[in-house]
Order: sequence, then structure tokens, then C-alpha cells
Amino acid sequence: LAKTTQPISMDSYEGQEVNITCSHNNIATNDYITWYQQFPSQGPRFIIQGYKTKVTNEVASLFIPADRKSSTLSLPRVSLSDTAVYYCLVGDGNSGGYQKVTFGIGTKLQVIP
Amino acid sequence: EPEVTQTPSHQVTQMGQEVILRCVPISNHLYFYWYRQILGQKVEFLVSFYNNEISEKSEIFDDQFSVERPDGSNFTLKIRSTKLEDSAMYFCASSDYRGETYFGAGTRLSVL
Repeated sequence: LAKTTQPISMDSYEGQEVNITCSHNNIATNDYITWYQQFPSQGPRFIIQGYKTKVTNEVASLFIPADRKSSTLSLPRVSLSDTAVYYCLVGDGNSGGYQKVTFGIGTKLQVIP
Repeated sequence: EPEVTQTPSHQVTQMGQEVILRCVPISNHLYFYWYRQILGQKVEFLVSFYNNEISEKSEIFDDQFSVERPDGSNFTLKIRSTKLEDSAMYFCASSDYRGETYFGAGTRLSVL
């Protein structure tokens, strides 16, 4: 599994766009990039997954440059309820549905009123 | 939206007792997992389960632990002879054919 590096913590004011960047220099050809969100005392929640370029869903956008050695999770106009830990993970997307998830420490996002 | 459900939400037990944590994965998912998170630490992989057998397990998942899919919907984690250090949040998860993994809300296990 490729190692990932992301900031330990970030602060943002309500209404701002938040970008969390993750480095994964050793990403393999088959690897996908996945982001999870975890609120205190709750299970991790899948946010978004991508392989290259840009992926957008109703929650976030994921930007992946051509070399795929990093990725940026973008949360538009955050609210207090977006305060959580965000995990960047890299893993084999060609595993037929098997996806053992190896979590790091994640980025603790604190949204300030 | 389909979800993974876990029961109970909180389990209190005495050291040395056996506990069974229960999970109902999303119905059309193929892979099932158990993870745990000790307070203030990372989420750790315990075991994965596919086609009625363990497909992968971590070094944490020793003989004290076992998993079972007793029927078509439930997936259980049994911890025999619980120890104080087993106190943690235990998360069940399941993944679909795309590998998107969904986690349950967790069971908080408190070993006294």
C-alpha cells in the first residue's frame, strides 16, 4: 500500500472552501485514491474516490494531477457540521470489490463560526 | 441510503467474559470487515470475510477472536475472554463490487 502524508490539522471559518492535500509519492498504477470522513464516536464515512483528473459528487471534489503523486479534497463552503477527521487512502482498485482500508492519523478539520 | 447496522451501540462486560458484536452488512455487498479503534488512536483492520471464510486477518486478530456469518444477513465478531485492552470502538464494514466500503456506526466495548 502506498504511504500517504496529509496535514495533521486544519482550521477554517464557516462558509469558506477547504482544500486538504494528500501526498502519495509511491502510488501504483492500479491504485485509486479514496477519502473518508469520521465524526467523533462514529464510523468512517466514504466521501469520494478517484483515479485521475477530477471527480465531483454532492459532497466534495477530488483533484488529482497528472502524475497522481498527490490529491486534493475540496469541500465547498464548509459548515460547523463538517468538523471531522478526514482520511486520505490509496489502494488497489482492481481487487474485485475487496478493499481493506489502512487508516493513517488523518487531518482533523476544525470549522470555526 | 443503505447502511451497515451494528448492535449493540454500547457493550459493557467484565474482564474474562465473552462478547458477541453483531452487524448487518449492506445486502448486496460481498466483502465484510471488522475494524477497531482504541480511544484516541487510528482505526485498525482486524479481519475480512468473503464467501463464508476469512480472506485476510491482521496480527491483532488472534485466537481470542472469531467471526461468523450465521445466516444470510448477520455478521458477528466474537471476543473470548475479554481483556481490558480490548476496550475500543468496533466497526463493521462491507464493500461492493467497486470496492466502495461502508462502515457501521460502531459498537463501543467497555471491558471492566
